[in-house]
Amino acid sequence: NAGVMQNPRHLVRRRGQEARLRCSPMKGHSHVYWYRQLPEEGLKFMVYLQKENIIDESGMPKERFSAEFPKEGPSILRIQQVVRGDSAAYFCASSPPSGSETQYFGPGTRLLVL
Amino acid sequence: AQKITQTQPGMFVQEKEAVTLDCTYDTSDPSYGLFWYKQPSSGEMIFLIYQGSYDQQNATEGRYSLNFQKARKSANLVISASQLGDSAMYFCAMREGLFQGAQKLVFGQGTRLTINP
Repeated sequence: NAGVMQNPRHLVRRRGQEARLRCSPMKGHSHVYWYRQLPEEGLKFMVYLQKENIIDESGMPKERFSAEFPKEGPSILRIQQVVRGDSAAYFCASSPPSGSETQYFGPGTRLLVL
Repeated sequence: AQKITQTQPGMFVQEKEAVTLDCTYDTSDPSYGLFWYKQPSSGEMIFLIYQGSYDQQNATEGRYSLNFQKARKSANLVISASQLGDSAMYFCAMREGLFQGAQKLVFGQGTRLTINP
C-alpha cells in the first residue's frame, strides 16, 4: 500500500516562473491537504480539498497560489510568478473519507526560487 | 493567539534515557485531537501518536506515550529508552472540531531532539 506520493522532490525555479507541485494521496483517501514549511518553522496549513472541491483555502495566499484535486489524477498546487519568499518545503497530506483523524504526509517538495 | 506551544527549541539526551517533549495547546472547542509527528533530517513527516480529547486513557505506541493532562491543556510526548535514531525535529499538532469532518492541523514550532551516544 503505497503512501502519499509527491513530485518532484526538489524543484528549482527562477523568479517569475511557475511552479507545479503534484500530490497523489494514499489509496482510498479522498481528503488532501497542503502545508508549507519555512526553514526552522512548523508546518502552516494552506488548503484542504476533496475530489473536485476546495473545502478550506483559508491558508492560501490571495494571489499567485491555486490548488485543485480533479476527479482523475493527482492534486496540484500551482504557484505563478514565483518570488524568493516562496522558497519552502511544501507537504501534502491525505486522510480517508471515514472521518479518521490521522493525516499521513508525503515526503514533501523542496522549492528553491533563485 | 498561539494555538500550539512547544517551549523547548532544542533538547540533548543521553542514549537509553527517557525524554519528555512539552506541548501545550489552546482551544475552546470541546472536541479536538492532538498529534505528534517526527521529522528526521531527511525531511519527511512521520506520524507517531494521536490522542482524542474524549479518550479516557493516555495514548501509547511502542516506545511513545502521550501524557495528556486535559485540565492543564498539555499533551507531552514521552519517549522511553531513547535511541540514536530518535534524533529529529518533533512537532505537536492539533485538529479542532473532531466530528465536523476532516480539518486542518495546526502545528507548533517544533523541538529539535538530539540523542548523544
